Amino acid sequence: NAGVTQTPKFQVLKTGQSMTLQCAQDMNHEYMSWYRQDPGMGLRLIHYSVGAGITDQGEVPNGYNVSRSTTEDFPLRLLSAAPSQTSVYFCASRRQGDGPLHFGNGTRLTVT
Amino acid sequence: GDSVTQMEGPVTLSEEAFLTINCTYTATGYPSLFWYVQYPGEGLQLLLKATKADDKGSNKGFEATYRKETTSFHLEKGSVQVSDSAVYFCALEANTGGFKTIFGAGTRLFVKA
Repeated sequence: NAGVTQTPKFQVLKTGQSMTLQCAQDMNHEYMSWYRQDPGMGLRLIHYSVGAGITDQGEVPNGYNVSRSTTEDFPLRLLSAAPSQTSVYFCASRRQGDGPLHFGNGTRLTVT
Repeated sequence: GDSVTQMEGPVTLSEEAFLTINCTYTATGYPSLFWYVQYPGEGLQLLLKATKADDKGSNKGFEATYRKETTSFHLEKGSVQVSDSAVYFCALEANTGGFKTIFGAGTRLFVKA
């Protein structure tokens, strides 16, 4: 029972590079979301999806893209990394309309 | 928009002390309320929840009551242990706009033996 799996665990990028953070869940959850966690600011919602083919913006969407082609996967793309995107990123999922969220173990991203 | 405010940390307590972490919220409608806990190097996990006014969520000796009149959901534990050292997040799940979950800034708790 894997739950929510995030890869990679750690990543270092140079400014301007692109990358994709992977997230997969095996619980058949309709709702998936990405958060970033920064000291003193808690978790801020980047993007979320209520089902395959449907995505929407959260509080801090700029600089990030998402897509949801299957129920299981919800990748987060950084097209041109910036130092301000240095953070810990969490993917989370749940059944639609019925909490709680199930979290992955996070990806620690450093942009130099 | 919807928001959650919780007390700043860190909170440092001795073992067996009483814990209160304050949380207030702003939301339209009637959100569900949650407390999540994060241990070092891990993702968040649900600690307890309440889905309507006057509900009390409880788990592992922790309790919180959904108070609509004061828009609060304070976390309490009668006797903390060293193993309770973690970061605690108050959160609400809006019942509109995709049912997004909004988190507070988190409160770090240190418990000394």
